Amino acid sequence: AQTVTQSQPEMSVQEAETVTLSCTYDTSESNYYLFWYKQPPSRQMILVIRQEAYKQQNATENRFSVNFQKAAKSFSLKISDSQLGDTAMYFCAFILNYGGSQGNLIFGKGTKLSVKP
Amino acid sequence: ETGVTQSPTHLIKTRGQQVTLRCSSQSGHNTVSWYQQALGQGPQFIFQYYREEENGRGNFPPRFSGLQFPNYSSELNVNALELDDSALYLCAIHATGRAFFGQGTRLTVV
Repeated sequence: AQTVTQSQPEMSVQEAETVTLSCTYDTSESNYYLFWYKQPPSRQMILVIRQEAYKQQNATENRFSVNFQKAAKSFSLKISDSQLGDTAMYFCAFILNYGGSQGNLIFGKGTKLSVKP
Repeated sequence: ETGVTQSPTHLIKTRGQQVTLRCSSQSGHNTVSWYQQALGQGPQFIFQYYREEENGRGNFPPRFSGLQFPNYSSELNVNALELDDSALYLCAIHATGRAFFGQGTRLTVV
């Protein structure tokens, strides 16, 4: 079975501080993409960052970076210089890549992040 | 990002009725998937369409059905609505190595 586990239902961080959200996943496939999505109260699912499984280098997008450990099937998200607008639900997900076509996204249950002033 | 539009944004239906939700994008990407997100949960995969054919389905009963049109817009149809169908329904358009979501349709079944 393909699963995603987010072990932190809720987290909080002070504005300008750094926070790390955890994610582990399980798949027997080797070709896939990993994602972190942000879902604010407006409910729009926004792509924060993606990682291609065949790339060892960790992805970064401005204040967001990941720690991808393929052997451990771990994919954590680090948010630096947290801002009030980062308050949202964060979902870890992956999708299998079939050499040009893709399967469906498999999501974790989410981590509710609150950034406090 | 690829602009993905879902309609309607909110909907209230009575148990036993039928509903149709719609999804379109500006990009014309040929793969679309639908998800159900219950309150406080992660999205659950309903089904996926590729070039107008269903090519994957999650653990949802047959009363959840869909269509994809030649312009790659898509519909999700739910028959015989049940109270537990109340949820946020999301569609996603797939590009290479990415998936972009619409803003969702909030369905309430009373």
